[in-house]
Amino acid sequence: ERLMTQSPATLSVSPGESATLSCRADQSISTNLAWYQQKPGQAPRLLIFGAFTRATGIPARFSGSGFGTEFTLSISSLQSEDFAVYYCQQYNNWPQTFGQGTRVEI
Amino acid sequence: QVHLQESGPGLLKPSQTLSLSCTVSGGSIDSGDYNWNWIRQHPQKGLEWVGYIHHSGSTHYNPSLAGRVIISRDTSKNQISLTLSSVTAADTAVYYCASSPGFMIFQPFDHWGQGTLVTVSA
Repeated sequence: ERLMTQSPATLSVSPGESATLSCRADQSISTNLAWYQQKPGQAPRLLIFGAFTRATGIPARFSGSGFGTEFTLSISSLQSEDFAVYYCQQYNNWPQTFGQGTRVEI
Repeated sequence: QVHLQESGPGLLKPSQTLSLSCTVSGGSIDSGDYNWNWIRQHPQKGLEWVGYIHHSGSTHYNPSLAGRVIISRDTSKNQISLTLSSVTAADTAVYYCASSPGFMIFQPFDHWGQGTLVTVSA
């Protein structure tokens, strides 16, 4: 199975600042990568798919990039509602696998 | 907009069989618009894909659960079901039902239920 590794585990950011989250696959997954946001007590929410396409209703301050094995989620001008855990997920191969998550905290 | 709602017992004893249902509204489970997945999250841990049922009814499972998991559907009730046999404490998790676009097998999970906590304890 594809191993997905996220870094850092925790990112401390002030509101209004930007954040950059990384996700690495152990083998190429083309652009078959999604990013999810999860807040406490809630289900994950799809943010980005196809490595860089925002899902419906996702603000433009969220952007994704990357191809192959290296991917990035960027959040510009962090809002209070953006503090959460972010997961990357590959859907290139069975079984579909997630990274361990990056917590973005104030 | 599709909506998913999980239901099932919250507490099981080791060796019992877990049975969960996911009731789908806002679309038919066999329409072709979506495929259906079960994903679980162990307490304070990350996410694990459990398995998948195509809108045609074919299935695919995580090899880590091989032999213990069955995903099925009831089109008359518009429900997806998860059965996991011989549970242990390691199966304690929040179980989510999630959809993925139906036009291809490999797609992200675009709609999620709110999840249901299953605890396995003697």
